[in-house]
Amino acid sequence: GQQLNQSPQSMFIQEGEDVSMNCTSSSIFNTWLWYKQDPGEGPVLLIALYKAGELTSNGRLTAQFGITRKDSFLNISASIPSDVGIYFCAGPPRGGSQGNLIFGKGTKLSVKP
Amino acid sequence: DTEVTQTPKHLVMGMTNKKSLKCEQHMGHRAMYWYKQKAKKPPELMFVYSYEKLSINESVPSRFSPECPNSSLLNLHLHALQPEDSALYLCASSTRRDTEAFFGQGTRLTVV
Repeated sequence: GQQLNQSPQSMFIQEGEDVSMNCTSSSIFNTWLWYKQDPGEGPVLLIALYKAGELTSNGRLTAQFGITRKDSFLNISASIPSDVGIYFCAGPPRGGSQGNLIFGKGTKLSVKP
Repeated sequence: DTEVTQTPKHLVMGMTNKKSLKCEQHMGHRAMYWYKQKAKKPPELMFVYSYEKLSINESVPSRFSPECPNSSLLNLHLHALQPEDSALYLCASSTRRDTEAFFGQGTRLTVV
């Protein structure tokens, strides 16, 4: 089946630093989604990407849909303590119904004040 | 308003109990989902409802029984669960064609 490989698995950074994480697949995805999850809470949608090459921003967050349709990255600029959490990439598997998402294993972000 | 509301937030139940998890959304979404998430793992799909009809059941044991009374509500009935069923249960919804799913805050279930 289709899998999403997300890296790095974890990051420890200083407040104010920029962060970059990515997601790759051996299969083509038509949609890439980025979520953030805080402990004990549900994932919150950060950015949705629907077109190859698309670059979308949401405040300090920027995500891009790779040209090959097999990868996506998420950048966070000038990190702050509330950026702490687990970031998941997600996308619908080929032939899946709407919302039937598969998730990467997540990138755990820790920010040191 | 991108809100999906789940109740209760926490639930402790014995292996012989019957309980239900509830989910509600008022975004007009016609697809609703149940996901299960174990600690330090990504969410895993359990059930998909599309236009109030069950469209996907990801080989979930029968001790989990979903119900969609109307387009805004989704329930998950629990019976004779095992301790390994302890997890965060997430409800989500999406529009007809968009794949972006909006999640509730989850129900933390502990089976004792």
